[in-house]
Amino acid sequence: KAGVTQTPRYLIKTRGQQVTLSCSPISGHRSVSWYQQTPGQGLQFLFEYFSETQRNKGNFPGRFSGRQFSNSRSEMNVSTLELGDSALYLCASSLVLGTGELFFGEGSRLTVL
Amino acid sequence: KNEVEQSPQNLTAQEGEFITINCSYSVGISALHWLQQHPGGGIVSLFMLSSGKKKHGRLIATINIQEKHSSLHITASHPRDSAVYICAVYKAEKLTFGTGTRLTIIP
Repeated sequence: KAGVTQTPRYLIKTRGQQVTLSCSPISGHRSVSWYQQTPGQGLQFLFEYFSETQRNKGNFPGRFSGRQFSNSRSEMNVSTLELGDSALYLCASSLVLGTGELFFGEGSRLTVL
Repeated sequence: KNEVEQSPQNLTAQEGEFITINCSYSVGISALHWLQQHPGGGIVSLFMLSSGKKKHGRLIATINIQEKHSSLHITASHPRDSAVYICAVYKAEKLTFGTGTRLTIIP
């Protein structure tokens, strides 16, 4: 059974650009959640999707957005990149919302110059 | 005060020692997760608890809902257990994370 796949694994952008990250969950999983990890703030919740609906969003500005497709694949987008957006972006999939076992992808490491 | 507090922040032990990592939280929760993160970033889910105790191999996790406290125990620790262990609580469709415990097991 394939795990959670995140692409791209590494990327470098410059301030003001935008970026789109992709997450393919484990087959059959309908919940996909996104997290940002930085040395200063640790792991922080970005948003969670279930059956194409955003269920909740963390305390991030509107530049951070996401969506989920009918096949449960999810994308997140960050517009007008800032230096502070440099981070490891992780997604996780689960069978059920919130109280199921989480399966994490390897992450997308974004560097903003 | 953070919603999720972990202790200790860093822990170094000899191979074979019994390890305990603690997690306290300040709000009512639906579930608590213990996660393991190795260098390089990959995160593995160890346990998801809503009550009681779970065991998987040398790992044991307990939760006391009334006291808002959970512990992760590692018996017969091994150098491959060296990693960052993270506690996360799920409430109102949102996961909140502790700052992690960096565990180093010396052969």
